[in-house]
Amino acid sequence: GEDVEQSLFLSVREGDSSVINCTYTDSSSTYLYWYKQEPGAGLQLLTYIFSNMDMKQDQRLTVLLNKKDKHLSLRIADTQTGDSAIYFCAEILSGSARQLTFGSGTQLTVLP
Amino acid sequence: EAEVAQSPRYKITEKSQAVAFWCDPISGHATLYWYRQILGQGPELLVQFQDESVVDDSQLPKDRFSAERLKGVDSTLKIQPAELGDSAMYLCASSLQGQTYEQYFGPGTRLTVT
Repeated sequence: GEDVEQSLFLSVREGDSSVINCTYTDSSSTYLYWYKQEPGAGLQLLTYIFSNMDMKQDQRLTVLLNKKDKHLSLRIADTQTGDSAIYFCAEILSGSARQLTFGSGTQLTVLP
Repeated sequence: EAEVAQSPRYKITEKSQAVAFWCDPISGHATLYWYRQILGQGPELLVQFQDESVVDDSQLPKDRFSAERLKGVDSTLKIQPAELGDSAMYLCASSLQGQTYEQYFGPGTRLTVT
């Protein structure tokens, strides 16, 4: 989606932290999401954050939201080979009948 | 753990043929979505149902695509006739009414049109 942008690729070493970034253009976003997609599979909802929050932590995942810069990030601590996948940032806009608008995805490769 | 079911997982068809995909949402989920994901891109919404009613089909190419959810439970997406550009992953998602901020996706149907 042209309103949500992500870098295409990220490589990290196993055990390091990964940070996947996303920028969005519409300030009326109400919820912002991170989905994970493994090869040939559907999308797995990882976590989401409401637009009035700055941070959300869930086990190894930390989401940071900078509303001023319209920037969302996903930090994965202690990255494992099983974390290798495509990560999609998505938003729901207010008044949009709850339609998800996705970025093009970031391919995370975890090297042993 | 409840999941969204889709079938078939893979479909190869020749252009100009008809093709249909089926989705069974998580039990109790009133809202159902069909998305299309072209290789290398994020999913894009085709149609959204609330129970048996279409909420939004503005992105559905209605000259060749149709979708129905007759009893407000499972749903079928049809393409007739298929074109080469329809090759993509077709994803179904569902959510609870009033909680449409949590959408759960099925495994998808990978369509290849030759």
